[in-house]
Amino acid sequence: DSGVTQTPKHLITATGQRVTLRCSPRSGDLSVYWYQQSLDQGLQFLIQYYNGEERAKGNILERFSAQQFPDLHSELNLSSLELGDSALYFCASSVADDGQAFFGQGTRLTVV
Amino acid sequence: AQTVTQSQPEMSVQEAETVTLSCTYDTSESDYYLFWYKQPPSRQMILVIRQEAYKQQNATENRFSVNFQKAAKSFSLKISDSQLGDAAMYFCAYKVEYGNKLVFGAGTILRVKS
Repeated sequence: DSGVTQTPKHLITATGQRVTLRCSPRSGDLSVYWYQQSLDQGLQFLIQYYNGEERAKGNILERFSAQQFPDLHSELNLSSLELGDSALYFCASSVADDGQAFFGQGTRLTVV
Repeated sequence: AQTVTQSQPEMSVQEAETVTLSCTYDTSESDYYLFWYKQPPSRQMILVIRQEAYKQQNATENRFSVNFQKAAKSFSLKISDSQLGDAAMYFCAYKVEYGNKLVFGAGTILRVKS
């Protein structure tokens, strides 16, 4: 158990819908990262928050947004979902930017 | 842009034998981190081993060791005394020292035969 908790584990939704994925980082970790794992694109970095503020952006679509709350948990919002958004979404956390990121178990999103 | 290449889509090893997974990367940075992550069927991403680029000594963690060749930009993972529980997808990853994101390779599926 990495100490990073993601909910839900599985999510099935229809095209055009909006979903929210939730992540609770390890106790004491200030950085939260979101990654997408798909068959087409592999593992790709989406976005990072550090202590409530956006720190870095990767290949995140405009239909996707994220935030980190004062209690340090984070949410990834995916809207206007398309079939191609079906993927495994990982959250990871680290104390700072020290390179050691711990991953949650992921949320499997299926868009039908 | 940094890239990570894993040229072996799939590897097989007999239980108790040794296997080496290959990884090369491209970067213009001098300070960075390299990692191997394991992803078993449970999907959990598990950190196997980590190497700081400024360290010449190769990292080891029990049965897992790396061969880090900085000039060649090569970072291979050696698994000794392979066990059935080692069967998984293995990802090589790179991170610049003061950067944020991990850049992953495409992964290598490791099968362990009994």
